[in-house]
Amino acid sequence: KQEVTQIPAALSVPEGENLVLNCSFTDSAIYNLQWFRQDPGKGLTSLLLIQSSQREQTSGRLNASLDKSSGRSTLYIAASQPGDSATYLCAVINSGYALNFGKGTSLLVTP
Amino acid sequence: EAQVTQNPRYLITVTGKKLTVTCSQNMNHEYMSWYRQDPGLGLRQIYYSMNVEVTDKGDVPEGYKVSRKEKRNFPLILESPSPNQTSLYFCASSLVRDTAFEYFGPGTRLTVT
Repeated sequence: KQEVTQIPAALSVPEGENLVLNCSFTDSAIYNLQWFRQDPGKGLTSLLLIQSSQREQTSGRLNASLDKSSGRSTLYIAASQPGDSATYLCAVINSGYALNFGKGTSLLVTP
Repeated sequence: EAQVTQNPRYLITVTGKKLTVTCSQNMNHEYMSWYRQDPGLGLRQIYYSMNVEVTDKGDVPEGYKVSRKEKRNFPLILESPSPNQTSLYFCASSLVRDTAFEYFGPGTRLTVT
């Protein structure tokens, strides 16, 4: 069964810093990997989707990379802002049609 | 506006009283699914549907039922809720299963006493 791990579980940084969130998965036979953002009391917002044949995707200040062979993905956030404070979730799809989620990294960006 | 809607957003009920959480999407998506989110366990899939009249079990289907009579709607039914079904529930949809973004609803917080 696919296991998805996110490190660190929590992170606090001052505004303006660049930061990296890590995601690892045990079964490299994935269709895609998605990064989501979850704000307290709200649903999930999909940030980036990387197909299994791709190495990275970029959206604004966010860049996600995928190394399928090693079972790793990183989410890079440039010039962090207090509005980036949220929980970031990594999820992968294998053949079983379910998104397999990590437990998330809780990010706090302080002014 | 493209969205997934869920109702109700909050629900407190008693053990054994049947309830339905509705889910609707306006994006003509074929794939829909239900997840529950619990502290320490993360998000886990309950049921999914590849298209109208096609549903299948996810990782934690016990105690739940679903139906997909129309493409836009995918209700979650708890025939006899129990306290261990107290959780935050999310409905999601995507255009195709493995290549498209998955869109999530705002969540339904259910408490079963």
